[in-house]
Amino acid sequence: AQSVAQPEDQVNVAEGNPLTVKCTYSVSGNPYLFWYVQYPNRGLQFLLKYITGDNLVKGSYGFEAEFNKSQTSFHLKKPSALVSDSALYFCAAGGATNKLIFGTGTLLAVQP
Amino acid sequence: GAGVSQSPRYKVAKRGQDVALRCDPISGHVSLFWYQQALGQGPEFLTYFQNEAQLDKSGLPSDRFFAERPEGSVSTLKIQRTQQEDSAVYLCASSLRPSVWNEQFFGPGTRLTVL
Repeated sequence: AQSVAQPEDQVNVAEGNPLTVKCTYSVSGNPYLFWYVQYPNRGLQFLLKYITGDNLVKGSYGFEAEFNKSQTSFHLKKPSALVSDSALYFCAAGGATNKLIFGTGTLLAVQP
Repeated sequence: GAGVSQSPRYKVAKRGQDVALRCDPISGHVSLFWYQQALGQGPEFLTYFQNEAQLDKSGLPSDRFFAERPEGSVSTLKIQRTQQEDSAVYLCASSLRPSVWNEQFFGPGTRLTVL
């Protein structure tokens, strides 16, 4: 069965420090990988995606993610966190089917 | 320009009632998706339209769930004889191109509470 795992319910980081939000996946066929962010009372917003090509993908608001095929991971990273980055982050993956499978989300809390 | 809109934003139904949830996608977007998001969980795929054609409805949890997009724009998700386990946020998303692997634009969701 296809699945996406986000092992951390919450990640705490101080403003200015680097952040990592972890994601691993299991899909059939070539993986299509996404990160979305959800702010309170707002819809999910696209951050970045990996379809093919370079393993390091750059996205909105200074975020990037690294595709690692051998570890089946797609961790989200940012070199310097901002308080405004505090939100709920979802990793999603697709493969041989038309369906996007979402993880359970990771709450990122950036302390000033 | 306007994003994806959904109405109503909140719906309370008594068990056994029928409900209809509306999604207005971004104008010109070919693909439209419905998801169900339970509390503390990620969105779960329900169904996918390409224009007016429903290409995948394998995520609909039972035959009480029905979705349509008759003119290839607005979509309605209908739930018949609602049950308590149907309580969730229902998300609609649209995408410009036919491929399911393009960026999806999400609406704010409809929170359904079944009493």
